[in-house]
Amino acid sequence: QSALTQPASVSGSPGQSITISCTGTSGDLGGYNYVSWYQQHPDKAPKLMIYEVSNRPSGVSNRFSGSKSGNTASLTISGLQAEDEADYYCTSYTTSTTLVFGGGTKLTVL
Amino acid sequence: EVQLLESGGGLVQPGGSLRLSCAASGFTFINYAMSWVRQAPGKGLEWVSAISGGGVSTYYADSVKGRFTISRDNSKNTLSLQMNSLRAEDTAVYYCAKCIVAAGRSYYYYGMDVWGQGTTVTVSS
Repeated sequence: QSALTQPASVSGSPGQSITISCTGTSGDLGGYNYVSWYQQHPDKAPKLMIYEVSNRPSGVSNRFSGSKSGNTASLTISGLQAEDEADYYCTSYTTSTTLVFGGGTKLTVL
Repeated sequence: EVQLLESGGGLVQPGGSLRLSCAASGFTFINYAMSWVRQAPGKGLEWVSAISGGGVSTYYADSVKGRFTISRDNSKNTLSLQMNSLRAEDTAVYYCAKCIVAAGRSYYYYGMDVWGQGTTVTVSS
């Protein structure tokens, strides 16, 4: 199972909005609405930001939103803040009953 | 407070075995699917395995199938990962994670909302 495709890096200034894409195939991301997004700060455990494409867990800021179109999912962060600087990973369920992660995207807040 | 605490990591030679444990507290353990996720040094996250709340159903990444075995003891609120025939490429921080509940059910593919701090496995001679 190949990893989902994410851009290696994105950047934005405080207050701006950024979008991180995550591209898969019809055998994973395109075929199911089981897409999650995780935030990971250096040397920390990942944190769930979005599940089932667009749902936010309790306690996650509404500045984070998720969507999906075809084989591509997106994570949008609005009103960018310094503490948003982290690595972001998408993941999806697959037809092989496995989970596959994206390669990760490093977000830099300028 | 919901907590997961991994243990059992260490240095092992190629071909060796190791058993990881994850002690859960602060929630009704049996009601939640659980997963193991690993992260090699300087690399991204990789899903390893998952198990249903009752322990009947198990799932594995192709990279570990046939070598790793996930299990749980719901009477002791403990998740385990038995790792055999270890390879250098299994070197990673291993996280256990609790799977989220949605629509009253907890499936491993819904998402992982609580993570442990991780335990480090190093496979080297």
